[in-house]
Amino acid sequence: AQSVAQPEDQVNVAEGNPLTVKCTYSVSGNPYLFWYVQYPNRGLQFLLKYITGDNLVKGSYGFEAEFNKSQTSFHLKKPSALVSDSALYFCAASSGGSYIPTFGRGTSLIVHP
Amino acid sequence: DTGVSQNPRHKITKRGQNVTFRCDPISEHNRLYWYRQTLGQGPEFLTYFQNEAQLEKSRLLSDRFSAERPKGSFSTLEIQRTEQGDSAMYLCASSLEGGGNQPQHFGDGTRLSIL
Repeated sequence: AQSVAQPEDQVNVAEGNPLTVKCTYSVSGNPYLFWYVQYPNRGLQFLLKYITGDNLVKGSYGFEAEFNKSQTSFHLKKPSALVSDSALYFCAASSGGSYIPTFGRGTSLIVHP
Repeated sequence: DTGVSQNPRHKITKRGQNVTFRCDPISEHNRLYWYRQTLGQGPEFLTYFQNEAQLEKSRLLSDRFSAERPKGSFSTLEIQRTEQGDSAMYLCASSLEGGGNQPQHFGDGTRLSIL
């Protein structure tokens, strides 16, 4: 069975500082990994994905994520946080054997001015 | 690309009533998914369609829930005899066909409140 863990319910960071939102996963076979962002009363918006290739994936709004196979992790990063990045972030995982992604519980990112 | 559209945005109903939600996916997407999201949780898979065929249903989808996608375009999710525990945000998403490697595009959801 697939599973995704986001160990932090909330991450606080000052504007201009780098941010990291953590995600670990468990899937059978090669993983397909995704990050989504959700603003209040809105649906999820796709940020980036890892399918294969380079371990560092670049996505929308300056976000990137690092795939680490040995640690089964896919942490979301941004070099310099903005107040407008404050939102709920979800990590999701699937594999070639399943078209249905499993989502983590989400991490609330709060960027302080 | 007009995005995924869900209607209504909010639904308030009394326990025991039936409710129906509609989802209009991105037109070229042949996969459509329904999820339920409660506070503090990520989306939980309910069911998915490839074109008009319902290919998978979660054990979360009790007999009171039914979903259709009659012409492979829009979809409806019906909940019969609603219960307090059905209160949640119901999200619809669509994607291109692919072996699980396609990102999903979500609508803004229908928030259901059971009185």
